[in-house]
Amino acid sequence: SQKIEQNSEALNIQEGKTATLTCNYTNYSPAYLQWYRQDPGRGPVFLLLIRENEKEKRKERLKVTFDTTLKQSLFHITASQPADSATYLCAQRGSSYKLIFGSGTRLLVRP
Amino acid sequence: DGGITQSPKYLFRKEGQNVTLSCEQNLNHDAMYWYRQDPGQGLRLIYYSQIVNDFQKGDIAEGYSVSREKKESFPLTVTSAQKNPTAFYLCASSPWDREKKLFFGSGTQLSVL
Repeated sequence: SQKIEQNSEALNIQEGKTATLTCNYTNYSPAYLQWYRQDPGRGPVFLLLIRENEKEKRKERLKVTFDTTLKQSLFHITASQPADSATYLCAQRGSSYKLIFGSGTRLLVRP
Repeated sequence: DGGITQSPKYLFRKEGQNVTLSCEQNLNHDAMYWYRQDPGQGLRLIYYSQIVNDFQKGDIAEGYSVSREKKESFPLTVTSAQKNPTAFYLCASSPWDREKKLFFGSGTQLSVL
């Protein structure tokens, strides 16, 4: 069955540094991966989508890479700010109707 | 403003009681979904609907029921058969296309009294 794994340990970094979060998937090779941000007590918000034929996608301070050989996506936030502190979820397309979500990685950016 | 609205924000259920969570969207999306989120776990799909008057079970449908009488509305009923209902419930909508970017509501926290 399809699985998607994110580091369950929180990532704690200093403001201004680059945060890098990892998403690994097994078995099924997804057509794309999505990344969402979730704040406590709120619903996730879509950030970026990267397709299998794309190596890298950028949006402002965010960058996502997709390595189908390693079966891994990396999510980077450059020049991180305390306001970036949240849980970040990755999701892959499984069968045609649904997304499979990872459990998320909590990011804490210290001022 | 376009968006997806869930209510109530907090809900308490007594033993043997059915409760209904509301979800409304004005994004004109065809597809709607219900997810359950437990602490430290990923989102798990309960039910989804591609079109009015049609819906399909997700991975954890037992103890839940839904209806889709209008495109804008997709209420979820947590029945007394659901023995462990305490969780954060998220409703989402998306266009029914290949990429399915989800738009989520703000969630309902359900607890058992």
